[in-house]
Amino acid sequence: DQQVKQNSPSLSVQEGRISILNCDYTNSMFDYFLWYKKYPAEGPTFLISISSIKDKNEDGRFTVFLNKSAKHLSLHIVPSQPGDSAVYFCAASALTGANNLFFGTGTRLTVIP
Amino acid sequence: EAGVAQSPRYKIIEKRQSVAFWCNPISGHATLYWYQQILGQGPKLLIQFQNNGVVDDSQLPKDRFSAERLKGVDSTLKIQPAKLEDSAVYLCASSLDGVSYEQYFGPGTRLTVT
Repeated sequence: DQQVKQNSPSLSVQEGRISILNCDYTNSMFDYFLWYKKYPAEGPTFLISISSIKDKNEDGRFTVFLNKSAKHLSLHIVPSQPGDSAVYFCAASALTGANNLFFGTGTRLTVIP
Repeated sequence: EAGVAQSPRYKIIEKRQSVAFWCNPISGHATLYWYQQILGQGPKLLIQFQNNGVVDDSQLPKDRFSAERLKGVDSTLKIQPAKLEDSAVYLCASSLDGVSYEQYFGPGTRLTVT
């Protein structure tokens, strides 16, 4: 049972434009959400996160929006740069004490110069 | 600050053989995780250690997979005997403690079972 879903396997965006990556979840117990970025042959690297008590968190060019009622979050990258080309994973965690992360299947972003 | 180290980076074995992976977490990180990432999927947690104790191993196929974290630092993950469906990237991650949500990942070991 996939509790975190990324329905777009790939996305292509022109350099300088906005990239919007989407993520949906089913478990209402999730209270913390993270985005990881992964380059080929490397492990995922933490990008940005948001707690369920917030609806927006911004860090430079990256902004994450959370809509709890819709169980949906999105990552906005503005402006997009060629170096942003990677696979982006959405992850979620519930306050169970174990802090396990449940990952989506990833979205491959390609930023075209 | 050195990151999470894993070895080997690549391994090819035949089915029914055994294999072991090694992980050295970031210094001072108490919590260590092993994930399995099958091609086209997101990482799936296999086991979580807090120091040298197991916190969660509910997703670990215990009939063939085992893991240990001696002295609360390095960890090894073993598969014996391997099956074709074990072909995946095995990722090790660590976090400062069991409260922190942010996990730091190693480069992974790509296992191919033929």
